[in-house]
Amino acid sequence: AQSVSQHNHHVILSEAASLELGCNYSYGGTVNLFWYVQYPGQHLQLLLKYFSGDPLVKGIKGFEAEFIKSKFSFNLRKPSVQWSDTAEYFCAVNKFGTASKLTFGTGTRLQVTL
Amino acid sequence: DTAVSQTPKYLVTQMGNDKSIKCEQNLGHDTMYWYKQDSKKFLKIMFSYNNKELIINETVPNRFSPKSPDKAHLNLHINSLELGDSAVYFCASSEREGLDEQFFGPGTRLTVL
Repeated sequence: AQSVSQHNHHVILSEAASLELGCNYSYGGTVNLFWYVQYPGQHLQLLLKYFSGDPLVKGIKGFEAEFIKSKFSFNLRKPSVQWSDTAEYFCAVNKFGTASKLTFGTGTRLQVTL
Repeated sequence: DTAVSQTPKYLVTQMGNDKSIKCEQNLGHDTMYWYKQDSKKFLKIMFSYNNKELIINETVPNRFSPKSPDKAHLNLHINSLELGDSAVYFCASSEREGLDEQFFGPGTRLTVL
């Protein structure tokens, strides 16, 4: 069965620190990859997605992610976090060519302190 | 303009009751979904519909019955509510089945007492 792992459950950073959140998936076929963010009390919003092409994907709000196929990874990065980045971050994977089924990781809670 | 909307936002009810959550999308998408987010924030798909037809049912108890009167609406009816049904339920939609980004609604926080 396909699974998605986010190893960092809770990350605390000071403003301006750099961020990297890990995401690994277990499926060996072609996948589409997503990072979603959930700000406190709000719904999920898409940060970025990878379908094909350049494995370095740029998203909104200065976030980027790199797809490394050999490592089954899709880590999220931001060079300098802001207090407003405090949120829950979810990695999600969709198997290519089958019925839509986003499998989510367990989420990483990011807390940015001033 | 709200893309994916859900009602109600909060729902508090007693065990054993039957309740419904409504979802509507105005994006013209073909595919709609229901997800459950538990107290640990874990998100899991429950159902997906494509053009009013069920395509995914993820071993959800049959007390949960989705209904899609048209492709813009996917409602969730829950019979005989149990304590373990307490969660946040998110509706989502995507343009097509399979590949696309999913757009999420604001969620419905269900509390079963």
